[in-house]
Amino acid sequence: QSALTQPPSVSGSPGQSVTISCTGTSSDVGTYNRVSWYQQPPGTVPKLMIYEVNNRPSGVPDRFSGSKSGNTASLTISGLQAEDEADYYCSSYTSSSTWVFGAGTKLTVL
Amino acid sequence: QLQLQESGPGLVKPSETLSLTCTVSGGSITSSSYYWDWIRQPPGKGLEWIGNIYYSGSTYYNPSLKSRVTISMDTSKNQFSLKLNSLTAADTAVYYCARRWGYEGLHYWGQGTLVTVSS
Repeated sequence: QSALTQPPSVSGSPGQSVTISCTGTSSDVGTYNRVSWYQQPPGTVPKLMIYEVNNRPSGVPDRFSGSKSGNTASLTISGLQAEDEADYYCSSYTSSSTWVFGAGTKLTVL
Repeated sequence: QLQLQESGPGLVKPSETLSLTCTVSGGSITSSSYYWDWIRQPPGKGLEWIGNIYYSGSTYYNPSLKSRVTISMDTSKNQFSLKLNSLTAADTAVYYCARRWGYEGLHYWGQGTLVTVSS
């Protein structure tokens, strides 16, 4: 299975919105609403931010939202804050009953 | 509060077998609908899903690692384990254990343990 495709980096200024894309295939993202997003600031453990495309775990700010269209899922962060600077990874269930991660996107808050 | 803690050697020789254990506290590994996952992250690189074990004992593996991986569980100790054989330097990584409910994401993670493959 190939890693999901994410842009290596995105950036935005405080208060702005940014969107991170995650492109898979019809064998994963395109078929299953089982896409999740993780936030990992440097030196920390990944934290679940979104699951099943657009659901937020308790405690995750509503500035974080997810969506999906076809084979591409997206994570949008609105009202960008300095603390949002981190690496972000998407993950999807696959038709082989396995899971696959994206290569990761580094978010820089300018 | 659920807690997961990885344990195992920090240094393993090439061609040998890595054995890691994840000890779970605050919840039972046999609770219905939970998957127990292993994920790794080479230094400076991204996350890679290794595989998982369902509460019933069924296992699922990353196809690229399937020939070298075994995940098992010890219900008496509330632990699950990872074995990865035929190690090379490319297996050097931080190894995480984590819990998934159904098809949701990985809500709980261990702190991770760095494993270095070197002679």
